[in-house]
Amino acid sequence: DVKVTQSSRYLVKRTGEKVFLECVQDMDHENMFWYRQDPGLGLRLIYFSYDVKMKEKGDIPEGYSVSREKKERFSLILESASTNQTSMYLCASSFPGHWGQPQHFGDGTRLSIL
Amino acid sequence: TQLLEQSPQFLSIQEGENLTVYCNSSSVFSSLQWYRQEPGEGPVLLVTVVTGGEVKKLKRLTFQFGDARKDSSLHITAAQTGDTGLYLCAGHSDNYGQNFVFGPGTRLSVLP
Repeated sequence: DVKVTQSSRYLVKRTGEKVFLECVQDMDHENMFWYRQDPGLGLRLIYFSYDVKMKEKGDIPEGYSVSREKKERFSLILESASTNQTSMYLCASSFPGHWGQPQHFGDGTRLSIL
Repeated sequence: TQLLEQSPQFLSIQEGENLTVYCNSSSVFSSLQWYRQEPGEGPVLLVTVVTGGEVKKLKRLTFQFGDARKDSSLHITAAQTGDTGLYLCAGHSDNYGQNFVFGPGTRLSVLP
């Protein structure tokens, strides 16, 4: 079974802090994604990566950055956390595919910014 | 404005009842996926539909892709408490590369 592991289930940080969310997958997937999930808004794509050292902005990249130094690890960085970044963050991975491959999700990190 | 709309937003039913939830868009998709997300967990893929008019069955769950590939439905027969969760649809088109756009979800509660 594919396993996508997110480093923390719950995280509480203060406004202005630099926050790191880590995600590791064990299925040698090329593609990795970071989403945030808010009630009534569904999953919104923050950043994605199709290969090591490659990153692309999703729909809501402002205030975030990412790092992919190794194929299995994709990190999301909140440069200076703000209260409007309080949310559930989901990491996903998949194989590449022309018409979209199934995404395998981690269990999420619920982040609170105080 | 959501690219994918899902209805109803919330649904609470008794065990044994049937239900249908909907996923609609004005855009055409090359494929559409349905996920279920249980509390405290990430979404898990239920099915992918790729052909207009396609019907797929997964035990008591029946998924249909609209003929025009703009909408989809999920029908559950004789719901069980284990069906409780958030049902998300996700659409893919060539415009998105290898990405999907997700709907806001239907939160289903099946009561014993």
